[in-house]
Amino acid sequence: DTGVSQNPRHKITKRGQNVTFRCDPISEHNRLYWYRQTLGQGPEFLTYFQNEAQLEKSRLLSDRFSAERPKGSFSTLEIQRTEQGDSAMYLCASSLDLYPYEQYFGPGTRLTVT
Amino acid sequence: GDSVTQMEGPVTLSEEAFLTINCTYTATGYPSLFWYVQYPGEGLQLLLKATKADDKGSNKGFEATYRKETTSFHLEKGSVQVSDSAVYFCALRLSGAGSYQLTFGKGTKLSVIP
Repeated sequence: DTGVSQNPRHKITKRGQNVTFRCDPISEHNRLYWYRQTLGQGPEFLTYFQNEAQLEKSRLLSDRFSAERPKGSFSTLEIQRTEQGDSAMYLCASSLDLYPYEQYFGPGTRLTVT
Repeated sequence: GDSVTQMEGPVTLSEEAFLTINCTYTATGYPSLFWYVQYPGEGLQLLLKATKADDKGSNKGFEATYRKETTSFHLEKGSVQVSDSAVYFCALRLSGAGSYQLTFGKGTKLSVIP
């Protein structure tokens, strides 16, 4: 049983560019979550999916951010027109659709915007 | 709103010392409570959980008891090892339909010296 995987692990981009991250959840997990973690802070919730449906979005998820999970398997998180404030670790997690919905995290994608 | 407060780090202990990391929460109802651990360069790993008052979660020698009366979920270990050096995060998930996101504390960095 493989865990949650994320690609790329690191991304350096220039301000104003678009970036896309990918998350592959644990295969039988139908819930998928995105979080953002900045240095010295705990992860902050961005959005989550149940199968292909995006059911909740945080106010942190500005219009420049979009997430998809087209076939209910992998998910992508795109940031358009990146800003220096977007520099962070982006974490993906998945869970079964079963109480208490234990979430298992991937290694994260570290984004640096220069 | 819901929130998690952890004791500030960093915490430095000698090997075999007793560990306590305090965690208190603010939330309505009966949230599920979790401890996650993040080793250097790795993603968050679920360490233990508790879903109702007086439940004790335990794993790898770590324990935490869900105390509703004090809204606390303190992490303890009787004898720490160098390999326990990591950042520890306390988190909650609200009870009730539609609440699946985790709310995290800021994390407590633990360093164990030989």
